[in-house]
Amino acid sequence: DGGITQSPKYLFRKEGQNVTLSCEQNLNHDAMYWYRQDPGQGLRLIYYSQIVNDFQKGDIAEGYSVSREKKESFPLTVTSAQKNPTAFYLCASSIRRTQFDYGYTFGSGTRLTVV
Amino acid sequence: GQSLEQPSEVTAVEGAIVQINCTYQTSGFYGLSWYQQHDGGAPTFLSYNALDGLEETGRFSSFLSRSDSYGYLLLQELQMKDSASYFCAVRDQEGGSQGNLIFGKGTKLSVKP
Repeated sequence: DGGITQSPKYLFRKEGQNVTLSCEQNLNHDAMYWYRQDPGQGLRLIYYSQIVNDFQKGDIAEGYSVSREKKESFPLTVTSAQKNPTAFYLCASSIRRTQFDYGYTFGSGTRLTVV
Repeated sequence: GQSLEQPSEVTAVEGAIVQINCTYQTSGFYGLSWYQQHDGGAPTFLSYNALDGLEETGRFSSFLSRSDSYGYLLLQELQMKDSASYFCAVRDQEGGSQGNLIFGKGTKLSVKP
């Protein structure tokens, strides 16, 4: 079955460490996105990529980095520069934007906690 | 910029009907979407309205009025499993931003027996 796989489901990071969250999709979608969700908040866009080897900053990109070397993969690195990284991270993909909205498909998320 | 407003919480009883409202401010408009998210889970796409009117999908319906910058999600015959958070979302404006989704803060629906 097609879908998006995020790993790990839970991740613990020490202060000052970089960590990488994995996101893989087999839906053949062109576009991929990373969102951050805090309790009681909506989803805020971190980075997005419309095609391979290209990505753009979202609203809260500071302290994060991404790569898009393959269509299927869009890993997110949370760097030590991110001052408050504890959150629920969601990866999504979609067919490249057309006139009609086919919706985003989300992964099951990674819950990152700084210890 | 873009902003969306929706109630933070709604409570209803099993079998009832509930309406979750969403008002938006956007510099361009490319449709209103709704997503459902159970606690700790992934958001799932429910519906999309590009034009005015009501779209029905089973027990769920979504309405849009572009002149009022307003939409709502209607859930009928509520079931316990409908307890979740519901997010409205609009596309960012055309152009360099590539039309990404902007989400509201979500409405937490609690269905009581």
